[in-house]
Amino acid sequence: GQNIDQPTEMTATEGAIVQINCTYQTSGFNGLFWYQQHAGEAPTFLSYNVLDGLEEKGRFSSFLSRSKGYSYLLLKELQMKDSASYLCAVSAGGGNKLTFGTGTQLKVEL
Amino acid sequence: NAGVMQNPRHLVRRRGQEARLRCSPMKGHSHVYWYRQLPEEGLKFMVYLQKENIIDESGMPKERFSAEFPKEGPSILRIQQVVRGDSAAYFCASAIDRVTNEKLFFGSGTQLSVL
Repeated sequence: GQNIDQPTEMTATEGAIVQINCTYQTSGFNGLFWYQQHAGEAPTFLSYNVLDGLEEKGRFSSFLSRSKGYSYLLLKELQMKDSASYLCAVSAGGGNKLTFGTGTQLKVEL
Repeated sequence: NAGVMQNPRHLVRRRGQEARLRCSPMKGHSHVYWYRQLPEEGLKFMVYLQKENIIDESGMPKERFSAEFPKEGPSILRIQQVVRGDSAAYFCASAIDRVTNEKLFFGSGTQLSVL
């Protein structure tokens, strides 16, 4: 089976930087995804990591350490619209079936 | 270029009724996944289908739940004799291929409420 842990909620200030951590335990690891989900809306893809290291995409970056079973999503220059749930998901075994964590609810304040 | 379309957005059923949830994948996508999301919980995998085939149904409850993805038309998730515990948001996602780094595109979900 797979186990994915991430904090339930976080609060940060507009303009600041926030790091959302995710730890996982799985066999047959194929990659790790981050999705953003606003309340009542579809999850939208943010990033994908399969090799160790940092992937940067604009204000968002994602890091992976396979040996530690650890990833983080880094959000810079926070905006109010970044208030959402951030879902960590692992792909393991064949195909692209994803196992999701419970999500981290981020609240951005003035 | 429409995204993944799910309907209805909201569905209310009484206990014992049937619920039918529809999902039209993105154009050109032949892989469909259904997920269920309960309040305060993560998305839970239910079933993975290709056209006319169920590939992986390891997340589907053994009774009352079924899914299909016919050659023509949308994928259907069917819940028979619904119970209050079936109340949840049901999300459909599609992918163009079955490679491991292919991201999933999600629909806006169907919120099922069982009275």
